[in-house]
Amino acid sequence: AQKITQTQPGMFVQEKEAVTLDCTYDTSDQSYGLFWYKQPSSGEMIFLIYQGSYDEQNATEGRYSLNFQKARKSANLVISASQLGDSAMYFCAMRLLMDSSYKLIFGSGTRLLVRP
Amino acid sequence: GAVVSQHPSWVICKSGTSVKIECRSLDFQATTMFWYRQFPKQSLMLMATSNEGSKATYEQGVEKDKFLINHASLTLSTLTVTSAHPEDSSFYICSARPNRGLGSPLHFGNGTRLTVT
Repeated sequence: AQKITQTQPGMFVQEKEAVTLDCTYDTSDQSYGLFWYKQPSSGEMIFLIYQGSYDEQNATEGRYSLNFQKARKSANLVISASQLGDSAMYFCAMRLLMDSSYKLIFGSGTRLLVRP
Repeated sequence: GAVVSQHPSWVICKSGTSVKIECRSLDFQATTMFWYRQFPKQSLMLMATSNEGSKATYEQGVEKDKFLINHASLTLSTLTVTSAHPEDSSFYICSARPNRGLGSPLHFGNGTRLTVT
């Protein structure tokens, strides 16, 4: 079964500290991709970072990096130097190809609160 | 680039009426668009995949006759909630992606908050 799991419903982090948001996945596909999105209270979905299953290096985008451990099927998001504006919901998502159709499924999300 | 516009951002309607939500890709063509539903403090659940010029593909458990999807052009998909009831109240979000390889992300509209009274 194709599944994305985020086990942390909520996280706190002190401003300027780093935080890791966990994500594990389950798929039998060899080719897949993992995305992280941020959803502020306003509701829009903001793309943060992508990791392909064949990518050998961990993805990085500014303060965001993805700790990809393929054997463990985990794709944790690391946010460095947290800012107050990072407070939001964060969703891990997995891109699948089902019957040649592109599909993106989401985990349950982690609410991050950055403390001043 | 890759902007997706969704309209309206919120709507209140009476039980039994129908509501149409529009999703447009502003600067790219999208042969496929996706409709998600999100309940408060929950994740996004894929409702259906909208295919330009053909029938939408619905996820298991999603009523086709309740949620009508039309994808008449490469830049516009619409979701119509027919005979809405209070349990249809939710946050509906559309998304699309440019055809730039499997690593290109889905871009989302800002969502529509539907309240059925």
